[in-house]
Amino acid sequence: EAAVTQSPRSKVAVTGGKVTLSCHQTNNHDYMYWYRQDTGHGLRLIHYSYVADSTEKGDIPDGYKASRPSQENFSLILELASLSQTAVYFCASGQGAETLYFGSGTRLTVL
Amino acid sequence: GDQVEQSPSALSLHEGTSSALRCNFTTTTRSVQWFRQNSRGSLINLFYLASGTKENGRLKSAFDSKELYSTLHIRDAQLEDSGTYFCAAGDYGGSGNKLIFGTGTLLSVKP
Repeated sequence: EAAVTQSPRSKVAVTGGKVTLSCHQTNNHDYMYWYRQDTGHGLRLIHYSYVADSTEKGDIPDGYKASRPSQENFSLILELASLSQTAVYFCASGQGAETLYFGSGTRLTVL
Repeated sequence: GDQVEQSPSALSLHEGTSSALRCNFTTTTRSVQWFRQNSRGSLINLFYLASGTKENGRLKSAFDSKELYSTLHIRDAQLEDSGTYFCAAGDYGGSGNKLIFGTGTLLSVKP
């Protein structure tokens, strides 16, 4: 069974603070993605990566950075967290645009 | 940007009945995936299609890349089918190996 693990499961951050969300996959997939989901909405792509040490911008990259230090790990970094970044964040892995496997999500609240 | 439209936005079914969800694309897409998000927020992949149809138990999905739509049929609905269903388009408009999600269909199955 494919495995994508996110940490933390939930986090409360202060406005202006730095937040790092982590994702680890054991699927040996090349692609990893970060999506955010706002209450009652679909998922929007923030950043993705298809190889270690390289990241690509998704559809809503502003205010976010990403880091892919290895094939297994992909982090999402909020350098200066803002209220508008309160959301649930999902990490996923896959082979190209084929079947995607999601982590359980991280619920981020920025106060 | 290009949108992935899902319909209906919400659907209520009685146990044992059947219905279909639809995903419309406004531009070319190489593949489609369907996911169910349960009450805990977990995203479960149901189908990946590059063409044609696939069936799994009471679920059946079809993808018509020329007519730009995909469907998900639910037969003999059960309480555990409740959740939010998302379709996601792969290589949407030639965007490469990322998925663009639809807005979701909230399905409630009632006794």
